Amino acid sequence: SQTIHQWPATLVQPVGSPLSLECTVEGTSNPNLYWYRQAAGRGLQLLFYSVGIGQISSEVPQNLSASRPQDRQFILSSKKLLLSDSGFYLCAWSVLGGANIQYFGAGTRLSVL
Amino acid sequence: GDSVTQMEGPVTLSEEAFLTINCTYTATGYPSLFWYVQYPGEGLQLLLKATKADDKGSNKGFEATYRKETTSFHLEKGSVQVSDSAVYFCALSDSHRVGNQFYFGTGTSLTVIP
Repeated sequence: SQTIHQWPATLVQPVGSPLSLECTVEGTSNPNLYWYRQAAGRGLQLLFYSVGIGQISSEVPQNLSASRPQDRQFILSSKKLLLSDSGFYLCAWSVLGGANIQYFGAGTRLSVL
Repeated sequence: GDSVTQMEGPVTLSEEAFLTINCTYTATGYPSLFWYVQYPGEGLQLLLKATKADDKGSNKGFEATYRKETTSFHLEKGSVQVSDSAVYFCALSDSHRVGNQFYFGTGTSLTVIP
């Protein structure tokens, strides 16, 4: 069966520090991968998606970047965090042409102080 | 572009009350429609889905019917329980689009009190 792992679960970082959040999927090949942010009391904002290795589409210009170095690995990064980067970050995957369902990781709670 | 508009919350109900959370959508193609649920501190879980007009998705006592004529996908449950307290998200996706992007509503927080 397929599983998605996201870490760390919680992160507290100072303003101006770098960020690296990692997401990996097991049990499937060539998934579509997604990064979302959920600000406190708000809905989901799609940040990036990827349909293959090295292919990244950005939905919202901002302080963050994403990379996909391997088929089932998706990394969210920042060189210098801002206060406004605080939020709940969710990774998700889906299979194009499959059941058309997105499956979510447990999320990372990021607090920038 | 595609979008989802969801009933504002928060919603507070007594146990065994009837629940309706409204959701309407705008789409240029023929999307699939979804309800996801998020329990505190967790990721989103698929609750139910419908892939074409007049389909009814159902799970755990929740139901939603894909209404093309009113572009709606309202979530209903006849008798809510305390364990249903969570945030509910309506979403749409067109699998024919590159990237299979999902568009989520802003979420509706539900609290069920004993």
